[in-house]
Amino acid sequence: AQSVTQLDSQVPVFEEAPVELRCNYSSSVSVYLFWYVQYPNQGLQLLLKYLSGSTLVKGINGFEAEFNKSQTSFHLRKPSVHISDTAEYFCAVSDPGSARQLTFGSGTQLTVLP
Amino acid sequence: DSGVTQTPKHLITATGQRVTLRCSPRSGDLSVYWYQQSLDQGLQFLIQYYNGEERAKGNILERFSAQQFPDLHSELNLSSLELGDSALYFCASSSPRAGGNTGELFFGEGSRLTVL
Repeated sequence: AQSVTQLDSQVPVFEEAPVELRCNYSSSVSVYLFWYVQYPNQGLQLLLKYLSGSTLVKGINGFEAEFNKSQTSFHLRKPSVHISDTAEYFCAVSDPGSARQLTFGSGTQLTVLP
Repeated sequence: DSGVTQTPKHLITATGQRVTLRCSPRSGDLSVYWYQQSLDQGLQFLIQYYNGEERAKGNILERFSAQQFPDLHSELNLSSLELGDSALYFCASSSPRAGGNTGELFFGEGSRLTVL
């Protein structure tokens, strides 16, 4: 079975500083990888996804993630965060051969401080 | 706005009661997924329907059931409610037009259930 580990439950960072949110997955097969963001009192919104091809994936709002197969990681980065990036971020994995349900990590609360 | 509509947004009920949560997927989406989000369990996949048929089942309790109707809307029925069922219940939909099996889901804003 697939699993996703988000190593940090809370990440505080000052505005305009860089940030990295870590995600590791466990799967014996090829996977699709996703980062979703959840703003307060809202549903989840897709930030970016890796399906195949280039290991560096760019998403919305200036975020990017790098797929590292040898380390089974898919860390999310942003070079300069804004107050509006404060939200919970979820890493997720799906098996291309499955019925497409996503397995989510436990989430990382990113808090951007002024 | 994801295009996925969930009602009600908030629901407060008592233990032992039964509730129904409703989801309208994005126009044209054939798949509907239900997820439960709670502080202790995180986001848990409950069940998926595709064009009216159950496609996959996750950590869904026997007290819970779901269905997808011919107009593609879905309902999640929660019965004999317990305090631990208090959570945010998300519906998501996806489209077979989205380049195949990409796994991208579009989420509603959720229904917050409080069991007292």
